[in-house]
Amino acid sequence: KNEVEQSPQNLTAQEGEFITINCSYSVGISALHWLQQHPGGGIVSLFMLSSGKKKHGRLIATINIQEKHSSLHITASHPRDSAVYICAVRYSGGGADGLTFGKGTHLIIQP
Amino acid sequence: DTAVSQTPKYLVTQMGNDKSIKCEQNLGHDTMYWYKQDSKKFLKIMFSYNNKELIINETVPNRFSPKSPDKAHLNLHINSLELGDSAVYFCASSVSETQYFGPGTRLLVL
Repeated sequence: KNEVEQSPQNLTAQEGEFITINCSYSVGISALHWLQQHPGGGIVSLFMLSSGKKKHGRLIATINIQEKHSSLHITASHPRDSAVYICAVRYSGGGADGLTFGKGTHLIIQP
Repeated sequence: DTAVSQTPKYLVTQMGNDKSIKCEQNLGHDTMYWYKQDSKKFLKIMFSYNNKELIINETVPNRFSPKSPDKAHLNLHINSLELGDSAVYFCASSVSETQYFGPGTRLLVL
């Protein structure tokens, strides 16, 4: 069964802390996505990775294809980073078959 | 100039009714999707539609049917609504691998 596992499920941290959220998947993928969902419900795509590392502002995403693992890091965390972060993968094999999602990590950054 | 839009934003209806949710994208993308987010916030693919090829997640009941009048639209029609259909439904479109999500439609079946 193709599954996407995220950890931790919930994370509360103080403002300024370095945050790491992990994602692992079970079979070969063509791409891995990190998504952000704010309390209002909208979903925003943060990164799409197929290899290596990407950085956008205080956010860094890495992927290790051999280990089938990705991490999302947030440096100098801020209360506005509080959201649910979702890892999603597109499995190899072609076809327009959408994304398979992890269950999300609920992040709260306290001031 | 919203990229992916959905209507309505909220939908409250009685069990047994038939309803539709509309999705439009102005990005010129070839592929569109419908996802369902359940009460535990877990997202799951329902359909993908690319150049008139429809791929259906096998777990989706046949009461759900996507309809695409043109490349920019993928509407979701639901027959005989059930309590368990209550969820947030997200439309998305993509080019290559990047996906753009609509704002979601919160459906409540009473």
